[in-house]
Amino acid sequence: KAGVTQTPRYLIKTRGQQVTLSCSPISGHRSVSWYQQTPGQGLQFLFEYFSETQRNKGNFPGRFSGRQFSNSRSEMNVSTLELGDSALYLCATRNPVAGDITDTQYFGPGTRLTVL
Amino acid sequence: AQSVTQLGSHVSVSEGALVLLRCNYSSSVPPYLFWYVQYPNQGLQLLLKYTSAATLVKGINGFEAEFKKSETSFHLTKPSAHMSDAAEYFCAVSDHNTDKLIFGTGTRLQVFP
Repeated sequence: KAGVTQTPRYLIKTRGQQVTLSCSPISGHRSVSWYQQTPGQGLQFLFEYFSETQRNKGNFPGRFSGRQFSNSRSEMNVSTLELGDSALYLCATRNPVAGDITDTQYFGPGTRLTVL
Repeated sequence: AQSVTQLGSHVSVSEGALVLLRCNYSSSVPPYLFWYVQYPNQGLQLLLKYTSAATLVKGINGFEAEFKKSETSFHLTKPSAHMSDAAEYFCAVSDHNTDKLIFGTGTRLQVFP
């Protein structure tokens, strides 16, 4: 079974631009979560999508948004990029079973975003 | 609110020595705890998870962790370190309300020959 795929792997943008990152989940996984990893703040939860609906959201400004398609693929968008948005963006996918929060999240390799 | 604290941002061991990475949690409800490993330029890989079944959890690559409620700890151990174990290790707790993972700050493990 193929793992979680994230594209692109590396991205360089300038301040003020916008960017779209993509995550393709493991086949059958309907939940996609996004995390931001930086040296200063560590791993922080951005949001989770399930069945094309945002189910949970972390403490990030509205410049960070996402969506999920009917095939469970997800995209996240960051508008008006700031230097501080430079980070590794990871997505994690799972197939949640009702009432079971212990199901494993599988992470992709991440997209390394550099904002100049 | 749930949280995890990883003591020691860097740990160095010799090849063949015991690996001990510390994680303490804070939770008002029975926690679900995880250890992930991250190799350079890669995502996170699950090592093991505690889901209130057995307190001693065995994971991949020879790692194991013991849940100790009295000490609010979930330390990761491996009897004999290999060079290939050099990586960053993250302890995480699953938020009961949102299912999101709350991560510790990570511990970088170096293994010397």
